[in-house]
Amino acid sequence: SQTIHQWPATLVQPVGSPLSLECTVEGTSNPNLYWYRQAAGRGLQLLFYSVGIGQISSEVPQNLSASRPQDRQFILSSKKLLLSDSGFYLCAWSATGGDEQFFGPGTRLTVL
Amino acid sequence: GQSLEQPSEVTAVEGAIVQINCTYQTSGFYGLSWYQQHDGGAPTFLSYNALDGLEETGRFSSFLSRSDSYGYLLLQELQMKDSASYFCAVRSHQTGANNLFFGTGTRLTVIP
Repeated sequence: SQTIHQWPATLVQPVGSPLSLECTVEGTSNPNLYWYRQAAGRGLQLLFYSVGIGQISSEVPQNLSASRPQDRQFILSSKKLLLSDSGFYLCAWSATGGDEQFFGPGTRLTVL
Repeated sequence: GQSLEQPSEVTAVEGAIVQINCTYQTSGFYGLSWYQQHDGGAPTFLSYNALDGLEETGRFSSFLSRSDSYGYLLLQELQMKDSASYFCAVRSHQTGANNLFFGTGTRLTVIP
């Protein structure tokens, strides 16, 4: 069966510090991968998606970046965090052509 | 651009039926999805409608009218555990075939 992992579960970082969030998927090959951000009490905003290794599409201009160094690994990064980067970050995967996206447990990021 | 509208909050009594509406604006519509998210948790897939009509899965049903750009999620025999946020999400040529654009969510509170 397929599983998706995200870490860390929670993170508190000072403004201006770097960020690295990792997501890995098991039990499937060549998944589509996604990074979303959810502000408190709000909907999900798509940040990045990837259809293959090294292929990253950005949906929203920001100080975040994403990389996909391996087929089932997706990393969200920032060189310098802003207060507005606080939120709940969710990684998800889907099969090519699949109707369903499967979400990881999320990382709750607080930038102080 | 594209948009999704759904009520921000709904309250219903345990055992009752509740309908959560969603209207959308997008170009090149493919289908409408519904996701459930409990507080602090990850979204989980409920349904996907690409064609007009009603799809039933246990206590949950989802309806789509492409001509009206409208859909709804119907929850029957409400249980306390159904208290959660419910998001509609559209897939379209505008979002990209693999991507979803999420609404801001409807918070359902089930009361005894």
